[in-house]
Amino acid sequence: QKEVEQNSGPLSVPEGAIASLNCTYSDRGSQSFFWYRQYSGKSPELIMFIYSNGDKEDGRFTAQLNKASQYVSLLIRDSQPSDSATYLCAVRDTNAGKSTFGDGTTLTVKP
Amino acid sequence: GAVVSQHPSRVICKSGTSVKIECRSLDFQATTMFWYRQFPKQSLMLMATSNEGSKATYEQGVEKDKFLINHASLTLSTLTVTSAHPEDSSFYICSARYSGETQYFGPGTRLLVL
Repeated sequence: QKEVEQNSGPLSVPEGAIASLNCTYSDRGSQSFFWYRQYSGKSPELIMFIYSNGDKEDGRFTAQLNKASQYVSLLIRDSQPSDSATYLCAVRDTNAGKSTFGDGTTLTVKP
Repeated sequence: GAVVSQHPSRVICKSGTSVKIECRSLDFQATTMFWYRQFPKQSLMLMATSNEGSKATYEQGVEKDKFLINHASLTLSTLTVTSAHPEDSSFYICSARYSGETQYFGPGTRLLVL
């Protein structure tokens, strides 16, 4: 079992819909959780981070964290074709000095 | 906005040689810089975290003597791949952080070792 698991996709949604990306992790010592967006051939871009249980909203993006269930999700509202990319989930256990990335979920938003 | 540059963008070298990659924060001072490696179709792997003026903190399984990191100033960190071999061929990406958890990524360096 991978330490950080994401559905590889591809996840396809129509323009204007809500895209839901999920991530589960195994290290209960994880304290920080990140979502990155990476376009093909480019370097990643940090879009959200969350530390506490619950929801965190930033524009069209909402990160949701549930430490008891060990999952973190990313919702993208009003999806646009420009949101088509690979989304990487990352978790960090600061005490262990360990950061782990998921393999990413490829999202395609169809016009 | 904050800009991070990397140099070179691409490098091809012979097996056994050393390669230095520079990461610069152009318009802000980066207290912390991160180095990542990414193989084709695979996820990012954090290699090390470097703080200006102190030794880098390497992730589990990353060879310190193989990947030398120097963070001599608040705007420059370097990664040297020593005695590079074909298995070191990868996409190396740095990022810089200057406040909170916001990280700004460089464009990456593609290394090919023949």
